[in-house]
Amino acid sequence: DAGVIQSPRHEVTEMGQEVTLRCKPISGHDYLFWYRQTMMRGLELLIYFNNNVPIDDSGMPEDRFSAKMPNASFSTLKIQPSEPRDSAVYFCASSFGDGGEAFFGQGTRLTVV
Amino acid sequence: GENVEQHPSTLSVQEGDSAVIKCTYSDSASNYFPWYKQELGKRPQLIIDIRSNVGEKKDQRIAVTLNKTAKHFSLHITETQPEDSAVYFCAASGYSTLTFGKGTMLLVSP
Repeated sequence: DAGVIQSPRHEVTEMGQEVTLRCKPISGHDYLFWYRQTMMRGLELLIYFNNNVPIDDSGMPEDRFSAKMPNASFSTLKIQPSEPRDSAVYFCASSFGDGGEAFFGQGTRLTVV
Repeated sequence: GENVEQHPSTLSVQEGDSAVIKCTYSDSASNYFPWYKQELGKRPQLIIDIRSNVGEKKDQRIAVTLNKTAKHFSLHITETQPEDSAVYFCAASGYSTLTFGKGTMLLVSP
């Protein structure tokens, strides 16, 4: 397996634009997590899915953020409209079973200007 | 929810010295404690983990200890090498999600 795959690796967008980040988890994993990493706040959990169902989205900062997982091999994180304070590295991770090792994707570095 | 505190935030050692990073957690239901290493510009990667039924675990130069009564766990790296320089994150998990500490930047000088 190629591991968790995220796209794009880098995204630069203007304030107000819609941004969509994509993630393909490791085949067979039943948990998918979206994290945001900044210098100030570290690694923050935004939302996680179990068997494609959103379980906890309490970490999603605002209504501008939304996430979907239409099937077991694909998830998106959308920001609309984007703001400069959304600039961060966004990681997707997947794991198998409750308490299994979380494998991270390469991350998407988002810059909102 | 779970809260994980990690210390120190930065740690500088000479090559060959030992390094110790400490974490505390708040939720007594947490039972899985992994440590991740993140090199500059790369993804976090698991280096070692421990579960609540074990007090200590070793893997070559790396060891982790867990004290469930005090709710703290530590990472020990012996004979440090320049390639150990990175940011290290501890995490705690009680059910399905990992709560991460803020990270420790370890710098190993030759």
